[in-house]
Amino acid sequence: KAGVTQTPRYLIKTRGQQVTLSCSPISGHRSVSWYQQTPGQGLQFLFEYFSETQRNKGNFPGRFSGRQFSNSRSEMNVSTLELGDSALYLCASSPEGALGEKLFFGSGTQLSVL
Amino acid sequence: AQTVTQSQPEMSVQEAETVTLSCTYDTSESDYYLFWYKQPPSRQMILVIRQEAYKQQNATENRFSVNFQKAAKSFSLKISDSQLGDAAMYFCAYRRAVYISGNTGKLIFGQGTTLQVKP
Repeated sequence: KAGVTQTPRYLIKTRGQQVTLSCSPISGHRSVSWYQQTPGQGLQFLFEYFSETQRNKGNFPGRFSGRQFSNSRSEMNVSTLELGDSALYLCASSPEGALGEKLFFGSGTQLSVL
Repeated sequence: AQTVTQSQPEMSVQEAETVTLSCTYDTSESDYYLFWYKQPPSRQMILVIRQEAYKQQNATENRFSVNFQKAAKSFSLKISDSQLGDAAMYFCAYRRAVYISGNTGKLIFGQGTTLQVKP
């Protein structure tokens, strides 16, 4: 099986723009989670989707949003980009989103905001 | 709120030797999961080992084992026979075991420990 695929690998944007990141989970996985990784704040949970529904949301402003499609692929969107949004965005998938399940991560999208 | 602390920002080990990475956590819950993840330069987070809090037996995966001390809220990772490919950043993570309405089942990560393996 192919692993979790995130596109693009790298993105450079300027302040005020918006960006969309994509995540294709492992085939058969219905849960997709997103995490933001920065040197200062470490890894922080953004949101989790299961069967096209947002099940959990982290403590991020409304500029951060996401969705999941019927094929379980997920996108996250950040509007009105700020310098502080520069980070590695990691996506993870699991079969059912059960709490003890192993999460399979992608290699991330590195976003730089200039 | 739950927190995870890794007090060693960097560690180094000689190839073939053993190294232990430390992790402590704080929670008021009695049932939860603990994980160690490895993040090599490729940036992909890879699960190394998982421990269920209700199991007293320490988890083991080949050269990787943990020392889980529930009362002390300590969860250290031991890497035996270290290999060059073990060089990476290691993250300790916590996840609750029970969904509570309005409360997330997110992974809570420590700040990470960079492990250098010397040939």
